[in-house]
Amino acid sequence: GAGVSQTPSNKVTEKGKYVELRCDPISGHTALYWYRQSLGQGPEFLIYFQGTGAADDSGLPNDRFFAVRPEGSVSTLKIQRTERGDSAVYLCASSFRQNTEAFFGQGTRLTVV
Amino acid sequence: GNSVTQMEGPVTLSEEAFLTINCTYTATGYPSLFWYVQYPGEGLQLLLKATKADDKGSNKGFEATYRKETTSFHLEKGSVQVSDSAVYFCALSPSNTGKLIFGQGTTLQVKP
Repeated sequence: GAGVSQTPSNKVTEKGKYVELRCDPISGHTALYWYRQSLGQGPEFLIYFQGTGAADDSGLPNDRFFAVRPEGSVSTLKIQRTERGDSAVYLCASSFRQNTEAFFGQGTRLTVV
Repeated sequence: GNSVTQMEGPVTLSEEAFLTINCTYTATGYPSLFWYVQYPGEGLQLLLKATKADDKGSNKGFEATYRKETTSFHLEKGSVQVSDSAVYFCALSPSNTGKLIFGQGTTLQVKP
């Protein structure tokens, strides 16, 4: 596809469950970013990958959150023991390299009930 | 630390009115500054950017000037259209990192 693809578009899960959110970046983009957007707020940075490695994970709120990008393309954001406060839209963005224009996906809306 | 503050919305204007959305920032070093737009039902899109002091970013009739002395990056448009109705986000990127720090967003509604 031409843009950043995120799946699923919507996810409803029960409190305490484990979830995985997937991001397919634009082909050839080496940098990949995850953000979280709560209702009425701007996106909040979570983690940034350059290639396969996490270059900056300072935005991950706690150790229940983890992200991987094993082959330098697709990334998965993993949330363990979900809490109601994790409900938000999770956005992924990619760019050709660090510090060039970032292109955003449509996001995954996560609802924890 | 790094942060961005935008004027609260919603901002409601009539078509062809002049638009200003205020944005101020706090940053260490020399950040790049951005305006992103989110149209209804769509993802975030880059609207314009400026990478150093006194640069002016422009796109689709929108403009913003990087003012280091006032730490501001206000968004302006001379004549808004109904199709400009969207949520606008001001953001900064700390020096050479690529990650973005966003403001809380300002909703613009333009009425015919």
